[in-house]
Amino acid sequence: VQLEESGGGLVHPGGSLRLSCTGSGFTFSAYALNWVRQAPGKGLEWVSSIFGDDNTTYYAASVKGRFTISRDISKNTLFLHLSNLRADDTAIYYCAKDQTIPPYNYGMDAWGQGTTVTVAS
Amino acid sequence: EIVMTQSPATLSVSPGERVSLSCRASQSVSSNLAWYQQKPGQAPRLLIYSASIRATGFPARFSGSWSGTDFTLTVSSLQPEDFAVYYCQQYDNWPRTFGQGTKLEIK
Repeated sequence: VQLEESGGGLVHPGGSLRLSCTGSGFTFSAYALNWVRQAPGKGLEWVSSIFGDDNTTYYAASVKGRFTISRDISKNTLFLHLSNLRADDTAIYYCAKDQTIPPYNYGMDAWGQGTTVTVAS
Repeated sequence: EIVMTQSPATLSVSPGERVSLSCRASQSVSSNLAWYQQKPGQAPRLLIYSASIRATGFPARFSGSWSGTDFTLTVSSLQPEDFAVYYCQQYDNWPRTFGQGTKLEIK
């Protein structure tokens, strides 16, 4: 199982960015997929998840209305569209796969190496 | 939102010692709790799930337990490679929430 993020970079406050995460070695459509971020020197913060045939999504309150999670199963790619970015969105963004197929959940057993988003003027 | 509180923030211990890390949930999460290990410059790794089941690749010196809303990660005999930051996370309810982490450092 491998996950690889891309798309990070430097963006101005109020700007937008799209992160991608390509997965391999597992049935991409079957598992819940997640974004977790880590601000510099800080702890982990769950950001968003997507799963199910109906693409059910959940968001942290801190990003709801500004970030959008989606996936392209045909390309085994997970996305996170970030908009109206703020300085406190600066972080490493990790994608992570749930260990089991919904509705069961036993933590996130595979993680990418992360992509860095810096929001600064 | 369920708040996960880890204590202490930092723990200074010597190799070979036994150590216990605490995580408390603000409400019941049943056994729907995971522990992750993160080393500097690396992504987190799933260590424990369902509060007490050790993930693949981790030795038996790591164990998890729980009682009510209190969860404990125990390392029976610390090895040099165990010094890292440990996070708990509940997945019983949305939003999934992490504790703030406990850093194990060498004394």
